[in-house]
Order: sequence, then structure tokens, then C-alpha cells
Amino acid sequence: DIVMTQTPLSSSVSLGQPASISCKSWQSLVHDNGATYVSWLHQRPGQPPRLLIYEVSKRFPGVPDRFSGSGAGTDFTLRISRVEPEDAGIYYCMQATHFPRSFGGGTKVEIK
Amino acid sequence: EVYLLESGGGLVQPGESLRLSCVASGFPFSYHALTWVRQAPGKGLEWVSTINREGDRAYYADSLQGRFIISRDNFKHTLDLQIHSLRADDTATYFCANDPSTGYYDFWGPGTQVTVSS
Repeated sequence: DIVMTQTPLSSSVSLGQPASISCKSWQSLVHDNGATYVSWLHQRPGQPPRLLIYEVSKRFPGVPDRFSGSGAGTDFTLRISRVEPEDAGIYYCMQATHFPRSFGGGTKVEIK
Repeated sequence: EVYLLESGGGLVQPGESLRLSCVASGFPFSYHALTWVRQAPGKGLEWVSTINREGDRAYYADSLQGRFIISRDNFKHTLDLQIHSLRADDTATYFCANDPSTGYYDFWGPGTQVTVSS
């Protein structure tokens, strides 16, 4: 099974400052078809997750452009260029290249 | 507008069975895979199961094999999850999610809470 290791576990970021979250897997997440199915989701308390980024770097419609994803192979990063108050919550990476699917453990982001 | 709504959760005793359902609309239901994800209280997300668009192929988390059965009805636009021999560690909020290309989950229901306790 693919383990997705997210770091940091938590982060306190000042309003308007950048934030970065890392996600690493021990096995390549490149699918046989050449695509890399790594996505990022954001969850606020009491709400379902919301998709931000899919296929490593594609922003889901409606997601602000301050969110960006990058990476390849086994190392991936979510960046927020300038955090806003609504960006508080928990961020998860997820791989859908291999079954069973797997999520990272989550990164809690607090806005100062 | 895409809409998914889970139901069927509640308080159940260990060893009992439960059937969760998810009704969906706003997207071409029979052309998309569908997925269940769960989240134990205060914990992270755990992938449970995915079913293909035809409903003839299902995938499960290794630890859940044999107790969970996913199914779908492409006429009624519903997704089900049967859970047997419920255990305390099955206590979680269960979300259904749309899986349009097997690579990501773009829309999620609000979740249904399952509590397993005597």
C-alpha cells in the first residue's frame, strides 16, 4: 500500500504570508498512462473536504489562483502564495494512481 | 448543480450491520465512478471503497475486505455501502464522493455519522 507522508503536521502562518505543504510517497505515483494522480483537498471543521488541486498541478474550477501544486514522481507540494483567513483548516494530499487509494495524514493550517 | 447526500447512519451495536446510501444528481451518474471515504472523530480521511461506473468492479481498503460491500443503481442514481459485523473502530463520518476520472474526487456529500457502541 502507498503511504503518503505529509509535512508539517501543523503550521501557523501570518495573514498574507506564503505557506507550503509537502507530501511524499515511497513509490512513484506515475500511472501506466503517464498521468500522476495526486490531488490536494481542504477541509474546514464540520464540513466535507473540498478539492483544490488535481493531477499534481491543475487547479479545480473556482479555486483561487493563490493555490498551486507542483511535484513529480514521489514528491509533491501545495503552496499558498498569500494566506487568507478562509484558508484555515486541514489540508490533505491524496494519491489515486494505485489501489488502494490513500490520503496523507493531514496538515493543520492556522492563520495568525 | 452537483448534489450528493448520504443517509443511513446512526447508533448501532457492535456486530450489527448497516446500509448507508448516497443519492446523487447534477452530473452524468452512470458515467462516473463513485467512492466512499470515512473519517473517524478527530482523525484524517480514510479511503474505503470505489466502484466503477458500470457497477461491476469494486475496490476496497485491505483492512475492510469482506465486511464492506459497495454497490450502485444507475437507474436510481444511488450508491450504497453495506457494512457487516460493525466494530467500534468503524465509528466515523462516511462521505460519498464523485470520481469522474478515477484520479480525483471533485464533489462530496456532507457525510453521515456512524457510531458503533453498546
